[in-house]
Amino acid sequence: SAVISQKPSRDICQRGTSLTIQCQVDSQVTMMFWYRQQPGQSLTLIATANQGSEATYESGFVIDKFPISRPNLTFSTLTVSNMSPEDSSIYLCSVEWMFTDTQYFGPGTRLTVL
Amino acid sequence: GESVGLHLPTLSVQEGDNSIINCAYSNSASDYFIWYKQESGKGPQFIIDIRSNMDKRQGQRVTVLLNKTVKHLSLQIAATQPGDSAVYFCAESSGLTSGSRLTFGEGTQLTVNP
Repeated sequence: SAVISQKPSRDICQRGTSLTIQCQVDSQVTMMFWYRQQPGQSLTLIATANQGSEATYESGFVIDKFPISRPNLTFSTLTVSNMSPEDSSIYLCSVEWMFTDTQYFGPGTRLTVL
Repeated sequence: GESVGLHLPTLSVQEGDNSIINCAYSNSASDYFIWYKQESGKGPQFIIDIRSNMDKRQGQRVTVLLNKTVKHLSLQIAATQPGDSAVYFCAESSGLTSGSRLTFGEGTQLTVNP
């Protein structure tokens, strides 16, 4: 089965700084997504990372706060910009292969903002 | 808007018993449903899925039941083991095309007592 990795696995950051999270898959995928999971809660979709074009953001999430890149079919980054303590969450990438509707998740990045 | 929710936030069972985790959804257009298992500190792990043209699907020790009439989904785990302790999420999507948004339920914490 394919391996989905995220870097960093966790980080503690200062208010006002930015953090870029990487998601790498060991095979080409059709779709890549980014989710946020606040402590003790469910998953909320931030955006769909589109290869070669701007990401598609869900209601309540904007590009200035969560810029996303997807330069190829195996890699994406999510940046959390100008962080505040409210951004403390687990950030998860998921991927979907062609002709399937099933999303598979990476291990997550646990972010704490002080 | 659409929502997917769970009836019980926690479930405690004895090792060896069968577990049933329930999920209600409100979008009648939902046609694909997935159960995920999330262990502490890890990303959600795919367990089993079902499409709306089915009412039952079985995997290894797990069965998913779908009742479209009352918009209800359940996950049955046979002979529950301590390793089954985790948070279980249902997720649903509508639309047959790849990349449909997943909407997650709130999660049920399953605790298996030895």
